[in-house]
Amino acid sequence: QQQVKQSPQSLIVQKGGIPIINCAYENTAFDYFPWYQQFPGKGPALLIAIRPDVSEKKEGRFTISFNKSAKQFSLHIMDSQPGDSATYFCAAGRFNNAGNMLTFGGGTRLMVKP
Amino acid sequence: DAGVTQSPTHLIKTRGQQVTLRCSPKSGHDTVSWYQQALGQGPQFIFQYYEEEERQRGNFPDRFSGHQFPNYSSELNVNALLLGDSALYLCASLSLGSLRMNTEAFFGQGTRLTVV
Repeated sequence: QQQVKQSPQSLIVQKGGIPIINCAYENTAFDYFPWYQQFPGKGPALLIAIRPDVSEKKEGRFTISFNKSAKQFSLHIMDSQPGDSATYFCAAGRFNNAGNMLTFGGGTRLMVKP
Repeated sequence: DAGVTQSPTHLIKTRGQQVTLRCSPKSGHDTVSWYQQALGQGPQFIFQYYEEEERQRGNFPDRFSGHQFPNYSSELNVNALLLGDSALYLCASLSLGSLRMNTEAFFGQGTRLTVV
């Protein structure tokens, strides 16, 4: 019930390409879906997040698409750059009186070739 | 404005020992969560502290314990260390008091714990 499945595990694209990372969740109580970017030796940094009341959210070159009925969401990176090479994690959270506990996917290692 | 700070950055301990990791939340944040990230995996939730109390706990044994101080900083303690406890330990903070205004969890850079 608490699992978040992320695919693919790794991804290689050329500069300017549009990598797409997919996630699926099981628990319909989740109501907050962030994406994090992590560079080696660093902590995860929030990229973009979405709530289930919208189907798409765009911030700069990053877009989240959300399909509530399928319990799936995805991250698209437009005009990808070598500097985007990092590990990306999707997560799902549930807000209650105790706050936000995030369940993370397994991560996608993205490499953008020059 | 300082973000989430964690100390130490790296730590090597011997199996069976005890360790304490520390976290200072981002300015304005009152809630601290701890995560364990094994190599090549996503972070796993350990527990969360708000108002100096443990509010939620993940699937971790009682060897993992914590504390939150009045200034919102927090400690993670791990007793009887096992080799499998080797991981990056991440602290995340958020503002629960203004939940509807600021829902993002900000992570620190983590403490790399190696158990030998």
